[in-house]
Amino acid sequence: QKEVEQNSGPLSVPEGAIASLNCTYSDRGSQSFFWYRQYSGKSPELIMFIYSNGDKEDGRFTAQLNKASQYVSLLIRDSQPSDSATYLCAVNILSNTGNQFYFGTGTSLTVIP
Amino acid sequence: DGGITQSPKYLFRKEGQNVTLSCEQNLNHDAMYWYRQDPGQGLRLIYYSQIVNDFQKGDIAEGYSVSREKKESFPLTVTSAQKNPTAFYLCASTPSDDGGSPLHFGNGTRLTVT
Repeated sequence: QKEVEQNSGPLSVPEGAIASLNCTYSDRGSQSFFWYRQYSGKSPELIMFIYSNGDKEDGRFTAQLNKASQYVSLLIRDSQPSDSATYLCAVNILSNTGNQFYFGTGTSLTVIP
Repeated sequence: DGGITQSPKYLFRKEGQNVTLSCEQNLNHDAMYWYRQDPGQGLRLIYYSQIVNDFQKGDIAEGYSVSREKKESFPLTVTSAQKNPTAFYLCASTPSDDGGSPLHFGNGTRLTVT
C-alpha cells in the first residue's frame, strides 16, 4: 500500500497570512509530486507540481520537496478567502503496469476575512 | 476546448441495479483512470488503463468493471456486487509518459444508490 499522509485540519488562517500545508509519503520510488485544490462538490484542479528537491514558486504558491525526508509542502502567501478549499497531495509512481497516482485525504483550509 | 467529459453529473439508482458511468476525453491522452471519493476522504483508485484494450485493477476494484475499446472512452460499470456504491466518481487522464505529467480530471459523477 502506497501511503500519502496529510494533516486533515481544519487549518484556519487570517486573510493575508501564509498558509502551510504538509504531506509525507511512504514510497521512495515516488517520482513526481502534485498539489490539487478541491472546492466542495467539485473535482480537483492542479495547483502545483514538483519533481526535484528544493523549492518551486508560481505566483502566491510555493511547493517544497525533500526526497530524503519524503516530505512535500505547499505554501500559500497572501492567503485569500477564495483559497478556502481542501488541498490534496498526490504522488506518482511509475511501475511495470504504468503510472499510478496516490492521494492523501486532504487538508481543509479556511481563510478568514 | 480539450477536456474530459463525465456524464451524467448526478445519478440515482436502486440497490441491485448495475449502472454505467461515462467518461470521454479529447486530450489525446493514452492513460485514463477512475477514482472514488467518499465524504471527507481522499481519492481511491478503482481501475486504470494505459492503452486501448488493456486495464489494471486499482486498490478498490471489487464490484466494478471497465472497458477501453477506444482511446477516448473509459466507461465504468458499478455492479450490484459493490457493497457501498454511493460516492463521488472521478475520471482522469494523463499522457502516458515517464510519470511527470499531472492528472487532468473530469467534473465527476455523483452516484446515489438507495
